[in-house]
Amino acid sequence: QVTLRESGPALVKPTQTLTLTCTFSGFSLSTSEMCVSWIRQSPGKALEWLARIDWDDDKYYTTSLKTRLTISKDTSKNQVVLIMTNMDPVDTGTYYCARTYSSTFRSDFWGQGTLVTVSS
Amino acid sequence: DIQMTQSPSSLSASVGDRVTITCRASQGISNSLAWYQQKPGKAPKLLLYAASRLESGVPSRFSGSGSGTDYTLTISSLQSEDFATYYCQQYYSIVSITFGQGTRLEIK
Repeated sequence: QVTLRESGPALVKPTQTLTLTCTFSGFSLSTSEMCVSWIRQSPGKALEWLARIDWDDDKYYTTSLKTRLTISKDTSKNQVVLIMTNMDPVDTGTYYCARTYSSTFRSDFWGQGTLVTVSS
Repeated sequence: DIQMTQSPSSLSASVGDRVTITCRASQGISNSLAWYQQKPGKAPKLLLYAASRLESGVPSRFSGSGSGTDYTLTISSLQSEDFATYYCQQYYSIVSITFGQGTRLEIK
């Protein structure tokens, strides 16, 4: 079955760089149409789409955070990494990764999320 | 960015009620719309995509419709497990994927 799990630090200081890893199973990122997306949610707030990486290594970023985000994949390890630089307290929230289909944009399986707090 | 405005922001209803949630885009999105359900402390769950296509395993009481800028999610007969927060998501532009602000569906 398909599973995804996010991992990374629970606490980062302002201006630091956040590195999150999505480890997945049940599908391969070398299969056509397969993608992994990152979405976050500030406490009590709405969802915010961040980035996506596709099976063919195409990468997409939300315009507002493009300069701070880097997404990459390690197909052999079934992992996707999201790096966010210059963290700020407003970046505090739960970060999710999700399997996504490139043709339909369906995000059908999600990880449980990882809470990241930005505080000095 | 394409802005998504959901209404209402919260809604009280009873088991068995028919409920409709609306999502309006700031520009036409050509049915590039998904609906998600989220329960407290849980990840979102995909309900519908392409505005009206039901995700596998989702009960048929959930349906979606709309075109252009205006879309609706309808739950034909509310069940107790449906009380949650619902989000629409537009994916018309890959670099501007946005969610609505959410509709909290509560028990009356």
